[in-house]
Amino acid sequence: AQSVTQLGSHVSVSEGALVLLRCNYSSSVPPYLFWYVQYPNQGLQLLLKYTSAATLVKGINGFEAEFKKSETSFHLTKPSAHMSDAAEYFCAVIYNSGNTPLVFGKGTRLSVIA
Amino acid sequence: KAGVTQTPRYLIKTRGQQVTLSCSPISGHRSVSWYQQTPGQGLQFLFEYFSETQRNKGNFPGRFSGRQFSNSRSEMNVSTLELGDSALYLCASSPLTAITNYGYTFGSGTRLTVV
Repeated sequence: AQSVTQLGSHVSVSEGALVLLRCNYSSSVPPYLFWYVQYPNQGLQLLLKYTSAATLVKGINGFEAEFKKSETSFHLTKPSAHMSDAAEYFCAVIYNSGNTPLVFGKGTRLSVIA
Repeated sequence: KAGVTQTPRYLIKTRGQQVTLSCSPISGHRSVSWYQQTPGQGLQFLFEYFSETQRNKGNFPGRFSGRQFSNSRSEMNVSTLELGDSALYLCASSPLTAITNYGYTFGSGTRLTVV
């Protein structure tokens, strides 16, 4: 089955350090890719999305992600972590031009250390 | 613009009972999807509705069902509750014709605890 894989269930960074959360998709046809963030006891908030317009996508809260077809990856980065970035991050994918549902990775919990 | 509204926020039910959860999408959104979130399985797709018709269905037993009304509001029902049904149930809405460009907007979820 087509899926999306997030490497690392837990990532810990120091405040001010680079954030890198990894996501790889499994399809020869580039899908539509999304990153969502979830704070405790809340729903999911869209951070950014890739829809084939540009390979480097900028989102909210200083996050960005780069689509690399050769690596089938869509890693999420932020140059400088802030304490408020501590949350669960989900990579998600839609295949087949939107005729299939949004499929999520298992999530990566980001901890930010002061 | 109001977001996706899910009610109730918290629910405690006993094994064997049934439960109905409600979701009101963003005004103008006609697609509503439901997801179950658990620590072990993560986010799993339940079903998607568009214009009162089920468009996609996930791999869940028949105890899980849903429907959508003409005003796009949706409900999901779980019958004969089991302990394993304890989860956060998330609803998401989207303008169907632009899902791939728009993504989904999620509600805050309903936390169901089965005892």
